[in-house]
Amino acid sequence: DAGITQSPRHKVTETGTPVTLRCHQTENHRYMYWYRQDPGHGLRLIHYSYGVKDTDKGEVSDGYSVSRSKTEDFLLTLESATSSQTSVYFCAISFRPSGYGYTFGSGTRLTVV
Amino acid sequence: QKEVEQNSGPLSVPEGAIASLNCTYSDRVSQSFFWYRQYSGKSPELIMSIYSNGDKEDGRFTAQLNKASQYVSLLIRDSQPSDSATYLCAVNLLKAGGTSYGKLTFGQGTILTVHP
Repeated sequence: DAGITQSPRHKVTETGTPVTLRCHQTENHRYMYWYRQDPGHGLRLIHYSYGVKDTDKGEVSDGYSVSRSKTEDFLLTLESATSSQTSVYFCAISFRPSGYGYTFGSGTRLTVV
Repeated sequence: QKEVEQNSGPLSVPEGAIASLNCTYSDRVSQSFFWYRQYSGKSPELIMSIYSNGDKEDGRFTAQLNKASQYVSLLIRDSQPSDSATYLCAVNLLKAGGTSYGKLTFGQGTILTVHP
């Protein structure tokens, strides 16, 4: 998607290893979000950021941490990957809070074996 | 009760018909409502936003909002096979005393199939 890229697109990792997913935007948007998407659960918010170094937890944050040292980058880290974290991860950006909607990245498909 | 609920479907309609997708939400003070379309294996794409009671039309799409009933719907007129996708309802829930920071809560999505 224009202005927002996620890397890697696909990853297979072993249980117990740390994994970092990257979201990079060129839109200079203040608000960034990490979601996971699983069958039967839809999109669920993991963490979000409302500015550089300003982050907070979403509804499914256990086992995840985030960092945002620059406006353009929002990193999601699985501290010790588990099979339950096998999912598709989407990053999203927004220009302002409420009333504007998101632009999503292309997603990262993560498999934990 | 889930905060944002959709019928997961699948909803199957013939080409040229009107597809009606429904969504209910739990928070009375929510102000912003969105519909996203997601093709299989792709990321969600924003197709409609609505903020006020009533109808909002954009091409073949009409979003309808009824805040009193906590209900938002999406109508797709003259449905085409290319409309076959999962449609996600999203709400910016504004719980009393909290700051939303633009967080969206999504329904599970409704799978729509338009058959020729």
